[in-house]
Amino acid sequence: GQQVMQIPQYQHVQEGEDFTTYCNSSTTLSNIQWYKQRPGGHPVFLIQLVKSGEVKKQKRLTFQFGEAKKNSSLHITATQTTDVGTYFCAGNTNAGKSTFGDGTTLTVKP
Amino acid sequence: GAVVSQHPSRVICKSGTSVKIECRSLDFQATTMFWYRQFPKKSLMLMATSNEGSKATYEQGVEKDKFLINHASLTLSTLTVTSAHPEDSSFYICSARSGQGPLVNEQFFGPGTRLTVL
Repeated sequence: GQQVMQIPQYQHVQEGEDFTTYCNSSTTLSNIQWYKQRPGGHPVFLIQLVKSGEVKKQKRLTFQFGEAKKNSSLHITATQTTDVGTYFCAGNTNAGKSTFGDGTTLTVKP
Repeated sequence: GAVVSQHPSRVICKSGTSVKIECRSLDFQATTMFWYRQFPKKSLMLMATSNEGSKATYEQGVEKDKFLINHASLTLSTLTVTSAHPEDSSFYICSARSGQGPLVNEQFFGPGTRLTVL
């Protein structure tokens, strides 16, 4: 079945450093979504990418969808302590099925 | 964004009892609802997908008779953990998708239910 792999599992950065998490699917996706889960909270939708090669920005966050629609990345510029949490990607197929990656847990040292 | 509520937020029960968890979409109609299980510091594991008015589709390895799912209306889905055992203790999260309009593919997550089986 469909698999979605996410790396790294954990990332510790100093405040102000950049951070990137990568997501790779075993199958071609119709779209990919990114979610953030704060410690003790539930996943919150960040963005959806649909088009091949798409790049979207939200302030310090940059999301990319690969040309083959099988991989994606989330990049945070100049991390802040408010960025801590676990970032999940979710790959969606044309059948409407979502598969979540294992997440990347980001900790930021002030 | 759209709001999904989940009740109860926390439940402790004795082994062998059944527990029902409710998931409601408060300000939109959810054609599809998903039930996930999350272990500590782990990802979301999809248990089942339910569409209003039809039987739920369970993921491989998830026991249908143990985790009963009912999606009786466009705003409510329930998950019943039958004859719960300590290994069923986990964080259960539902999500809802409208399937229409600008939010067609976005999943809105409930706050989760922490189940502890003694």
